[in-house]
Amino acid sequence: EDQVTQSPEALRLQEGESSSLNCSYTVSGLRGLFWYRQDPGKGPEFLFTLYSAGEEKEKERLKATLTKKESFLHITAPKPEDSATYLCAVQAGSGNTPLVFGKGTRLSVIA
Amino acid sequence: DSGVTQTPKHLITATGQRVTLRCSPRSGDLSVYWYQQSLDQGLQFLIQYYNGEERAKGNILERFSAQQFPDLHSELNLSSLELGDSALYFCASSVRSNTGELFFGEGSRLTVL
Repeated sequence: EDQVTQSPEALRLQEGESSSLNCSYTVSGLRGLFWYRQDPGKGPEFLFTLYSAGEEKEKERLKATLTKKESFLHITAPKPEDSATYLCAVQAGSGNTPLVFGKGTRLSVIA
Repeated sequence: DSGVTQTPKHLITATGQRVTLRCSPRSGDLSVYWYQQSLDQGLQFLIQYYNGEERAKGNILERFSAQQFPDLHSELNLSSLELGDSALYFCASSVRSNTGELFFGEGSRLTVL
């Protein structure tokens, strides 16, 4: 069974204090790994897709990386507006397979 | 704004009742997905439709059913509601059928009393 585990469950940072969120996965044939951001009371918002080990994607203060067993979301010099829950999801195999989501990391950035 | 519209935003009902949640996908998107989000389970995939046809099914209860209409909007029907069905129900859409880049609506919060 495909599984996604995110850590930590919650993270509190001071503004400007860089850190990383972890997403560990077990999947039978990774097709893609996806990062989403979810604000309170809103639906998840797509951030990145990673397809193969060694791949990196960047967007503003966020950088996502991928290895064969895990992905990291690095947050550089975060601002309070980066506060949100960050969700990781995997898509496995071939054919029409749905995303399997982790439970997320709740990030709070304090000014 | 993702372009995906869900109604109603909030719904309070009693056990044993039946409700219908509605979703309009982004313009041009043919695929619609339904997810359930609860505090302990996270986002759980329920079902996917592509251009009116069912494409994938998750752990959707037999009391739940869905369909996608010719105009591509979708409805999720929940019947014989139980307290444990209280959750956020999200609809998402995408252009292609087999992609992980989904656009989510703001959800329908269902409370069963």
